[in-house]
Amino acid sequence: DGGITQSPKYLFRKEGQNVTLSCEQNLNHDAMYWYRQDPGQGLRLIYYSQIVNDFQKGDIAEGYSVSREKKESFPLTVTSAQKNPTAFYLCASSLPRDRGNQPQHFGDGTRLSIL
Amino acid sequence: AQTVTQSQPEMSVQEAETVTLSCTYDTSESDYYLFWYKQPPSRQMILVIRQEAYKQQNATENRFSVNFQKAAKSFSLKISDSQLGDAAMYFCAYRSAWTGNQFYFGTGTSLTVIP
Repeated sequence: DGGITQSPKYLFRKEGQNVTLSCEQNLNHDAMYWYRQDPGQGLRLIYYSQIVNDFQKGDIAEGYSVSREKKESFPLTVTSAQKNPTAFYLCASSLPRDRGNQPQHFGDGTRLSIL
Repeated sequence: AQTVTQSQPEMSVQEAETVTLSCTYDTSESDYYLFWYKQPPSRQMILVIRQEAYKQQNATENRFSVNFQKAAKSFSLKISDSQLGDAAMYFCAYRSAWTGNQFYFGTGTSLTVIP
C-alpha cells in the first residue's frame, strides 16, 4: 500500500544540536509539506515543496531547513536556531491542484522533545 | 493567504445524537476545494469528507455530511448517530483550485462524545 513514512516516531534534541526528521512517500505525489502542531493547536506550515529541487517557506520557517533532492523524500532539519522545537511534526503530500479535488495524505508524525 | 475559521474550540455530543461543527473561510476566489480532517488521540490525520466549490450538492460520506453555503463562505460538518470513535480533533481545510499548492487549516474543534 502506498503511503507516507515518517521517522523516527520520537526524537530528542540536546541544546545546540541539529536534528533531522525523515519523510518518505511512495504515492508519486509532486507536492510535499511539513507542519508543526503544538498541544491543542492547529497545523502551522513550516515548508512546502511543489517539485524536486524547489521549496518555499511557510508561516514559521525560521530555525528549520529542508531539501528536496528526490521526489519521494522531503527531510526536515530542526536547527539549533529553533529555540522552542518541542512539538509534533507532520509530513504530508498531495497531487497538484490541477488534478482536481485531491486531499493531503499525512504521515503518522514525529514527536520532538528537548533533553 | 486564505483564512479558515473554526469558532468552536470544543464541542460535545451524546452518543447516537447529531452534532454540527462550523467552519467559515475567507477567499476572493470562485473555485476551490474544502476538506474536513479528523485527528483522533493517535494524532493520525484522517480525511473525513471533501467538497468542490463548483458543486452545489453537499457531499456525504456515510454518517458524515456537509452543509456548504458558498455565498456565506460556510462549510459545516454534520455527524449523525455519533459514536465513541468519533471523538477527535476536527480540522477544516481550504485549497485553491487556481493558485499555489498550499492547504489552509482552521485551528480545530475538539469533539467529545458522551456515552
